[in-house]
Amino acid sequence: AQTVTQSQPEMSVQEAETVTLSCTYDTSESNYYLFWYKQPPSRQMILVIRQEAYKQQNATENRFSVNFQKAAKSFSLKISDSQLGDTAMYFCAFMKHYGGATNKLIFGTGTLLAVQP
Amino acid sequence: DSGVTQTPKHLITATGQRVTLRCSPRSGDLSVYWYQQSLDQGLQFLIQYYNGEERAKGNILERFSAQQFPDLHSELNLSSLELGDSALYFCASSVGSSGGWETQYFGPGTRLLVL
Repeated sequence: AQTVTQSQPEMSVQEAETVTLSCTYDTSESNYYLFWYKQPPSRQMILVIRQEAYKQQNATENRFSVNFQKAAKSFSLKISDSQLGDTAMYFCAFMKHYGGATNKLIFGTGTLLAVQP
Repeated sequence: DSGVTQTPKHLITATGQRVTLRCSPRSGDLSVYWYQQSLDQGLQFLIQYYNGEERAKGNILERFSAQQFPDLHSELNLSSLELGDSALYFCASSVGSSGGWETQYFGPGTRLLVL
């Protein structure tokens, strides 16, 4: 079974600084996808970024980028120029590539990020 | 706004009761997923429907059931409710599950409190 581990329950960063959230996963699959979702105080789940395991290039979305290390099974999220609106719980998630079957997400326990003014 | 709608937003009920949570997926999405978020279990996959048919089951209790209707909206039925069923229930949708991977877009959730 696949597992996703987020070892940092809470983190804090100053506004405009850079912060990195860690995520490791365990799988025997070769084809899969990884995601970071953000859950602000409103509790809405918002997709931040996604990465296909077959791609060596790290995904980026504006101020958000990932460091994907497939051999190490590591998938960290870097947030640059942190903003107050980035304050949220961040979840790392794993999805196996089935191609025709379920694409359920397996979530980590989350990292609560607080951006300080 | 993800385009996924869920009703009601909040639900307060008593133990032993039955409730129905409703989800309307994004326009064009065929797959609907239900997830439960609780303090002790975290975010867990419950069940998936694709174009009206059940596709996969996760950690869903026998007291819980779901269905997806011809117009693609889905309902999650929770019966014989217990205190431990109090949680935030999310619905997510994606285009489908036949071609590989698709991003799942989440609704705002239904917060259920069982007293």
